[in-house]
Amino acid sequence: DGGITQSPKYLFRKEGQNVTLSCEQNLNHDAMYWYRQDPGQGLRLIYYSQIVNDFQKGDIAEGYSVSREKKESFPLTVTSAQKNPTAFYLCASSMAGQGYEQYFGPGTRLTVT
Amino acid sequence: GQQVMQIPQYQHVQEGEDFTTYCNSSTTLSNIQWYKQRPGGHPVFLIQLVKSGEVKKQKRLTFQFGEAKKNSSLHITATQTTDVGTYFCAGQTGANNLFFGTGTRLTVIP
Repeated sequence: DGGITQSPKYLFRKEGQNVTLSCEQNLNHDAMYWYRQDPGQGLRLIYYSQIVNDFQKGDIAEGYSVSREKKESFPLTVTSAQKNPTAFYLCASSMAGQGYEQYFGPGTRLTVT
Repeated sequence: GQQVMQIPQYQHVQEGEDFTTYCNSSTTLSNIQWYKQRPGGHPVFLIQLVKSGEVKKQKRLTFQFGEAKKNSSLHITATQTTDVGTYFCAGQTGANNLFFGTGTRLTVIP
């Protein structure tokens, strides 16, 4: 089955801890994205990567970090510096360039207390 | 920065009524995409519009792209309970990333 997977579906952490969210795709897509979704605010771009070993900050990158060591994988770390980390995190992938649809994973709901 | 505004934020309709959501960009777009997110799910691509004034149909869904390529609409005829979810538009300018609207959450009352 081709697709994009995220794990875990639900994640609970204590304040002050870093946490890494997994995202894997077997669609052979060059581009991958991380979005954060909060109620009433749509999807906001955290980081994106157009090619292996390269990534750029999105609109709300502060308190997050990523790596892109393999084409298939784009993990997101939510650091303790992120002031309000509780949210629904969505990973997506697409072909690189303009005008390509994005394929989304099922998402990870992170709760930090 | 680029902004894509979407209205209304919420819409409740009786099953069988029509529904429309509107998307407006502060800048001219190269293309616009529409996604649907079911409750508890993830966004799924519906369609992309590229040409000025373009109209595309998918069964009961009609998508339009404005002449100035700064606005778009999604119209659903005779809503069904399966139409429930949040509909997002996402605009792109040149090679820049997609910028998502805030979404319209549709509730269909049986």
